[in-house]
Order: sequence, then C-alpha cells, then structure tokens
Amino acid sequence: AQSVTQLDSHVSVSEGTPVLLRCNYSSSYSPSLFWYVQHPNKGLQLLLKYTSAATLVKGINGFEAEFKKSETSFHLTKPSAHMSDAAEYFCVVSDQDNTDKLIFGTGTRLQVFP
Amino acid sequence: NAGVTQTPKFRILKIGQSMTLQCTQDMNHNYMYWYRQDPGMGLKLIYYSVGAGITDKGEVPNGYNVSRSTTEDFPLRLELAAPSQTSVYFCASSLGLAGDGLADTQYFGPGTRLTVL
Repeated sequence: AQSVTQLDSHVSVSEGTPVLLRCNYSSSYSPSLFWYVQHPNKGLQLLLKYTSAATLVKGINGFEAEFKKSETSFHLTKPSAHMSDAAEYFCVVSDQDNTDKLIFGTGTRLQVFP
Repeated sequence: NAGVTQTPKFRILKIGQSMTLQCTQDMNHNYMYWYRQDPGMGLKLIYYSVGAGITDKGEVPNGYNVSRSTTEDFPLRLELAAPSQTSVYFCASSLGLAGDGLADTQYFGPGTRLTVL
C-alpha cells in the first residue's frame, strides 16, 4: 500500500534562511506526488505536483521539490523563507488503484521567525 | 469562479443530533470528495463521487452518508452525531479525466469546523 512519511512534525527557521521539509514515500509503482499548504483556518492549496515529466518540480511562491527514486524521497525546499510561509505543509501520494484518491502525510508545521 | 464553497463554517451539535454539511463547486469538476482532519493528523477520506449519481466509500465512512444528485453539489450527512465526529471537514473536487496530468489535482474548500458535545 502507498504511504508517505513526513519526517518532521515541526520545523523552525529564521526569515531569509533556507527551508527544507522532508518527505519519504512508499509505493510499488511510479506515483504522483504532491505538496499542499494549509494556512491557519484555511483550506488546502496545491504547491506543486510531480507526475514523472521532470524530477525537479517548481511550484508557487518559490517552492520546489525533487523526486529521488533511489531515496524514495520528495523533499520540499525554498531558498529563502518569508514570514508568510508559516503554515502546515502536507506531502501527498496518489493511490495506486485509483489515482484520483490521495493519501496524506501527517503534516509539518513550519514556523518562521523574524 | 468561487471554486469550492462549504457551509456552515462552524457548528456545534449535541450527541444524537443530525446535520448536513453543504459543498458546492462551480468548476464543472467530475470528482468530489469529503475529508476529515483531526488535530495533528493528515486528511482522511470519508466518501467520494466520480459523477452525479455515483458515490463510494473512502477510508472512514462510518457514521456518514452522501448523495450526488448534481455535478455541482455533494452534501455530507451526519445522522446521529457522536463526539468522535468532532473534526474539521473539507470538501474537494477534481476534474478526474484519465490521461490529463493535472486531472487529479484536488481543489479544496475552506472547511467546516464541527464540535459534538
């Protein structure tokens, strides 16, 4: 069965420093992988999506993620954090049997300090 | 486009009461979903629908019912509310066409925060 593991429940960075949110996936096939962001009291918004076209995926707000099959990882990065990046981030994998069903990680809360 | 809208935003129920959470999308999406999000957890799929008149169970369907009479609307019904159903509920939709790389991108509503006391 597919699954995703977000390795950190909380990450704290200073404004202007790099962001790294880690995600490992488990899948017996080549999955679709997503990162979603949830700002406080808001719905989820798609940051980026990997569908095998390119291993380095660029998303909105300066975020990007790299698919590494050998490491089964899909880490989210941003070169310079902004205060507005403070939110909950979810790594998500599509279900093998039904690619329109998503399996969510438990989330990583990103704090950004001035 | 309003996208995905949900009502109400907040609700408090007593044990045993019933209610319907409303969800509407104006993007002409085929697929719609209901999730619940418990504190510190990811989203769990309750029910989903691949088109009008077609619904199917997700991971945590017990205690809930859905219907899909139109493409736009996908209400979620709680018949006998229990404290275990205290959660934040999210509705989502996706285009759902095979072969389109963006088809399975899901668009989420703002959520309904439900408390059962």
